[in-house]
Amino acid sequence: DAGVTQSPTHLIKTRGQQVTLRCSPKSGHDTVSWYQQALGQGPQFIFQYYEEEERQRGNFPDRFSGHQFPNYSSELNVNALLLGDSALYLCASSPRPGSPYEQYFGPGTRLTVT
Amino acid sequence: ILNVEQSPQSLHVQEGDSTNFTCSFPSSNFYALHWYRWETAKSPEALFVMTLNGDEKKKGRISATLNTKEGYSYLYIKGSQPEDSATYLCAFNTGNQFYFGTGTSLTVIP
Repeated sequence: DAGVTQSPTHLIKTRGQQVTLRCSPKSGHDTVSWYQQALGQGPQFIFQYYEEEERQRGNFPDRFSGHQFPNYSSELNVNALLLGDSALYLCASSPRPGSPYEQYFGPGTRLTVT
Repeated sequence: ILNVEQSPQSLHVQEGDSTNFTCSFPSSNFYALHWYRWETAKSPEALFVMTLNGDEKKKGRISATLNTKEGYSYLYIKGSQPEDSATYLCAFNTGNQFYFGTGTSLTVIP
């Protein structure tokens, strides 16, 4: 059983560019959440997708957008990249939104903005 | 924005020592408290999820307790081993979002 997978592993972009990160949830999970972990910080919630819709959103600007596909995989898009967007981006999947059940995390995508 | 605090920020212990960390969280809007173990270059691994005041969970040498009334959880590691070296994260779950602490980095010295 494959766990949560993310691609790419590492990415280097220039200020002002756009980036797309991808996530495939654990088998049987239909809810995907995205987190940003900046250096020295804990993971910060970006948003959650369920039934192909954004259900919850953290305190992130509209430059951060996402999508969920019918197969439950998800993308995180960031437009007009800033240096401060450099971080580890984690994807987590769970059986349903709002449940106390565990979120299973992927290994993350390390984004560097120069 | 909810504040979840973990202490200490980092910890170095000798192999065989027992240790514990603290996670503090708001006492309102509580749904669940999660502990994760995160080794470098790997995915965070779920250790425990606790939902009831007074919950105690145990997995091998690792255990955790929960006090929702005063807003804290303790993680205990008995007889630390080098393979326990990792960052331990707690997350406060409101039912809608997870709010993470910054983690406690544990290094176990052989």
